[in-house]
Amino acid sequence: SAVISQKPSRDICQRGTSLTIQCQVDSQVTMMFWYRQQPGQSLTLIATANQGSEATYESGFVIDKFPISRPNLTFSTLTVSNMSPEDSSIYLCSVVKVLGGQETQYFGPGTRLLVL
Amino acid sequence: SQQGEEDPQALSIQEGENATMNCSYKTSINNLQWYRQNSGRGLVHLILIRSNEREKHSGRLRVTLDTSKKSSSLLITASRAADTASYFCATEKTGANSKLTFGKGITLSVRP
Repeated sequence: SAVISQKPSRDICQRGTSLTIQCQVDSQVTMMFWYRQQPGQSLTLIATANQGSEATYESGFVIDKFPISRPNLTFSTLTVSNMSPEDSSIYLCSVVKVLGGQETQYFGPGTRLLVL
Repeated sequence: SQQGEEDPQALSIQEGENATMNCSYKTSINNLQWYRQNSGRGLVHLILIRSNEREKHSGRLRVTLDTSKKSSSLLITASRAADTASYFCATEKTGANSKLTFGKGITLSVRP
């Protein structure tokens, strides 16, 4: 499996400010993703964090709002910029590991964000 | 767009009973995965079934996949109160390169 930690675990922020979420993995991984889970909803993929190049964003998500860094194969950050109450969600990073020939996606514990 | 759709949306059963949850999807897939989430915390990977597999077991879990009907079911046998959680199916579409599309989730309550 993969041990994934996220910081902070939760935060309460004022609208208009930005928050950077960190994701640390205990081993090198190729594929790393960022998801958002709005209250009572399912998970939606924000972007694929690419090591050494710009992240690949899904429809409806843009780099200016959710800049992502991936400086190496064990670490990534997601910034939620110019926050509004609609950004209140749980943000989760995930990684793909291949074990026994099977790809499995593991998720971090999530960062619970409340924007006032 | 939402790929997986689970039903029922909520399920309440007595401890010891079996719980069956269904998931339908729309496009061709590489695999389908089931996850559990306790009280808004991180997701725990339960089981993965590939598109060329029809049934898979893991402990008290049994998952089936019918690609002709684009549907899957997750059966939890002999349920326990600790199984109370939200369950999500997620599909990796063909060519999606590990990206997952999640269903809306099923809330399972197991009464002790």
